[in-house]
Amino acid sequence: DTAVSQTPKYLVTQMGNDKSIKCEQNLGHDTMYWYKQDSKKFLKIMFSYNNKELIINETVPNRFSPKSPDKAHLNLHINSLELGDSAVYFCASSRASGGPRDTQYFGPGTRLTVL
Amino acid sequence: TQLLEQSPQFLSIQEGENLTVYCNSSSVFSSLQWYRQEPGEGPVLLVTVVTGGEVKKLKRLTFQFGDARKDSSLHITAAQPGDTGLYLCAGAPANNLFFGTGTRLTVIP
Repeated sequence: DTAVSQTPKYLVTQMGNDKSIKCEQNLGHDTMYWYKQDSKKFLKIMFSYNNKELIINETVPNRFSPKSPDKAHLNLHINSLELGDSAVYFCASSRASGGPRDTQYFGPGTRLTVL
Repeated sequence: TQLLEQSPQFLSIQEGENLTVYCNSSSVFSSLQWYRQEPGEGPVLLVTVVTGGEVKKLKRLTFQFGDARKDSSLHITAAQPGDTGLYLCAGAPANNLFFGTGTRLTVIP
């Protein structure tokens, strides 16, 4: 069974559209994350959720909104997509609050292309 | 300014050669992690080092945490094509995990 899964794997859409990416983890972890990996492969954290509470919110445009219906799911909704949003988005989870010694388990990524 | 700088950015070597990848920062970390990412997949944790000067070995991979806990290195002995991938160091000065700039390794058979 896949530990951290994301859908869709690929997403191609027009500028200005609204889209969502779904993430589910079956590891029983308390914290989930969203990362953005740009074309240069730089991986940057966007959000993390711990027990349905947002505990990290980096300088991400408010067009991006994480939504967690329960501990096992953290979806990413993006409004008014822009060309610069094109990237690979990774969901991850960890057992605890994401401290420096926690192991983060990553999903396979969603490649978003905005035309 | 990146918190964690990795060098080299790209590395292409022949099978059987040795290599070292470096991860440097001006910040002190309580621990540092190394991940490997293969094309089309998410990063996978290789190791966590927590003590200054610590050395950990994982088969042909040797990881070292600098004495001052500001840097780390990854040494691969007798590289194999299966080692090909993107190597990322990651550290958390607080609760945020920051990833390094990455080293893309290609091992040619």
